Amino acid sequence: QVQLQESGPGLVKPSQTLSLTCTVSGGSISSGSYYWSWIRQPAGKGLEWIGRIYTSGSTNYNPSLKSRVTISVDTSKNQFSLKLSSVTAADTAVYYCARGQWLAQYFDYWGQGTLVTVSS
Amino acid sequence: QSALTQPASVSGSPGQSITISCTGTSSDVGSYNLVSWYQQHPGKAPKLMIYEGSKRPSGVSNRFSGSKSGNTASLTISGLQAEDEADYYCCSYAGSSTVFGGGTKLTVL
Repeated sequence: QVQLQESGPGLVKPSQTLSLTCTVSGGSISSGSYYWSWIRQPAGKGLEWIGRIYTSGSTNYNPSLKSRVTISVDTSKNQFSLKLSSVTAADTAVYYCARGQWLAQYFDYWGQGTLVTVSS
Repeated sequence: QSALTQPASVSGSPGQSITISCTGTSSDVGSYNLVSWYQQHPGKAPKLMIYEGSKRPSGVSNRFSGSKSGNTASLTISGLQAEDEADYYCCSYAGSSTVFGGGTKLTVL
């Protein structure tokens, strides 16, 4: 059974960089059938796709966040990571990592989510 | 990219059927048969209910069905049950990106 677990600071100061890691267990992050995504949800609001990384290392980002986002993968640790720079209060949200099916483009496994608050 | 358009809320009585629409554009829903639907209960991670527009993952009740016409996808839940009360999100592949709908709150009366 594949499991994903987000980790990282729950509080980030404005203008700093938010950094989160997703640890994948129960399967290899290197499988070519999947990609790995970050999705966020501000309190009381809807889901927002942040971006994805394929096992090839290729990435796609939400155009509205592209200038501030970097997603990377560490296959040796079976982890992938999110960095979001120059954060503001608007970046306060629950951040989810998820596994995407490459061909059919859906998310079949999700982490439990981690709340990141941007505040001084 | 703009979020897909969903009604903010729908409601129905137990046993009834409801349909949630999800309207996109020719750049997302209209171009790909790659719409998925997710159910989210409060404080929980989303759960996949439908993928590729109309396919159900193993373990999802056949009361859930999906369809698509043009730029609009739909999720239908038949035989409503109390446990179906949740938020529902559509999601579409859009080439170099992915876009979610704004979400629909389903209330079972």
